[in-house]
Amino acid sequence: GAGVSQSPSNKVTEKGKDVELRCDPISGHTALYWYRQSLGQGLEFLIYFQGNSAPDKSGLPSDRFSAERTGGSVSTLTIQRTQQEDSAVYLCASSLGGSSHEQYFGPGTRLTVT
Amino acid sequence: GNSVTQMEGPVTLSEEAFLTINCTYTATGYPSLFWYVQYPGEGLQLLLKATKADDKGSNKGFEATYRKETTSFHLEKGSVQVSDSAVYFCALSGLTNNDMRFGAGTRLTVKP
Repeated sequence: GAGVSQSPSNKVTEKGKDVELRCDPISGHTALYWYRQSLGQGLEFLIYFQGNSAPDKSGLPSDRFSAERTGGSVSTLTIQRTQQEDSAVYLCASSLGGSSHEQYFGPGTRLTVT
Repeated sequence: GNSVTQMEGPVTLSEEAFLTINCTYTATGYPSLFWYVQYPGEGLQLLLKATKADDKGSNKGFEATYRKETTSFHLEKGSVQVSDSAVYFCALSGLTNNDMRFGAGTRLTVKP
């Protein structure tokens, strides 16, 4: 079946602009995660959605970052007033949730802030 | 809190060499342990996992054994191929679904 998809695959934006990154999880997966992968770094957890529960936003680095998940499926990560340090690959993952912890990752969106 | 420490890269090997990438963890309770692989230009893929002590995960010739006594989950492969060139991430999952911790990743390059 279809895996996790993300769009766009690449985004170049000017400092100060807002950007929206989209994630389509695997159908039936109730859990959805956003991570940030900076050059040469590991994955930094940003936010987690599980079903209709309130999201875990503990990893968001500043109030310029927000995310929503509509209808328990598609998710959008929004970065307002982008800064150069926001340049990274943003990865989305989904899982079945519950007792299953295996996460399936999308190909990522490479964001470059100039 | 939970954390993962893995061997720093980059690692460069010749084809058919033996591979070890070290991974140790700190966790409360009994985490599940994972190795993910990221091929160039792609997202992370689960390579193998182990959910309890002494379990051995294996896939595509790679193996890792969950060692509780040494809090380790080292990745090994007896004979690497050029196609194994990728970044490898060790990860652990705690008691809740949002408690996944990843190591910094180890870049492996295999030369023919």
